[in-house]
Amino acid sequence: AQTVTQSQPEMSVQEAETVTLSCTYDTSESNYYLFWYKQPPSRQMILVIRQEAYKQQNATENRFSVNFQKAAKSFSLKISDSQLGDTAMYFCAFMRGAGGTSYGKLTFGQGTILTVHP
Amino acid sequence: SAVISQKPSRDICQRGTSLTIQCQVDSQVTMMFWYRQQPGQSLTLIATANQGSEATYESGFVIDKFPISRPNLTFSTLTVSNMSPEDSSIYLCSVGGGAGELFFGEGSRLTVL
Repeated sequence: AQTVTQSQPEMSVQEAETVTLSCTYDTSESNYYLFWYKQPPSRQMILVIRQEAYKQQNATENRFSVNFQKAAKSFSLKISDSQLGDTAMYFCAFMRGAGGTSYGKLTFGQGTILTVHP
Repeated sequence: SAVISQKPSRDICQRGTSLTIQCQVDSQVTMMFWYRQQPGQSLTLIATANQGSEATYESGFVIDKFPISRPNLTFSTLTVSNMSPEDSSIYLCSVGGGAGELFFGEGSRLTVL
């Protein structure tokens, strides 16, 4: 079974600064996907960024980027130029690849509450 | 990405009653997924709903407690039966994207008294 661990229950950052959220995972699979989701107080789960395990290049989406260390099974999220709207719970998630019965089955970490201060 | 609408957004229910949550997607999808998020916790997959077949439940979830319907390719319902306070959670409907990701509805927050 896969496990996802987020060791930082809460983080805070000043507006315009950079913050990094940590995530480690454990799997014996070689083909998988990793995700970061954001859940603001409105409850809507929003996909922030996605990484395919077979890709060596780290994914980036505007101010969001990841540091994917496959050998270390680490998948951290860096938020640059933090904005007040980034305040939310952030979840790291894992999904086995290759479709089939694993499709749609995300294993989530426990989440990190990020607060951006003005 | 798909637009996913859930009803109700929130509800307060009495112990022993049942509540049905509706999920509507703006496009046809083969598979829909129901997740539960207990207070202060992460998300856990309840079941996968395919159109035209019975839902597939994850370990720890059973059809009698969480019956699911999937009458067509854009709609699904999840019923939480014989509710107890332990069922107080956010229930989220989701559908797959084209690259492994899932898109989620806004969730239905249930409080059971």
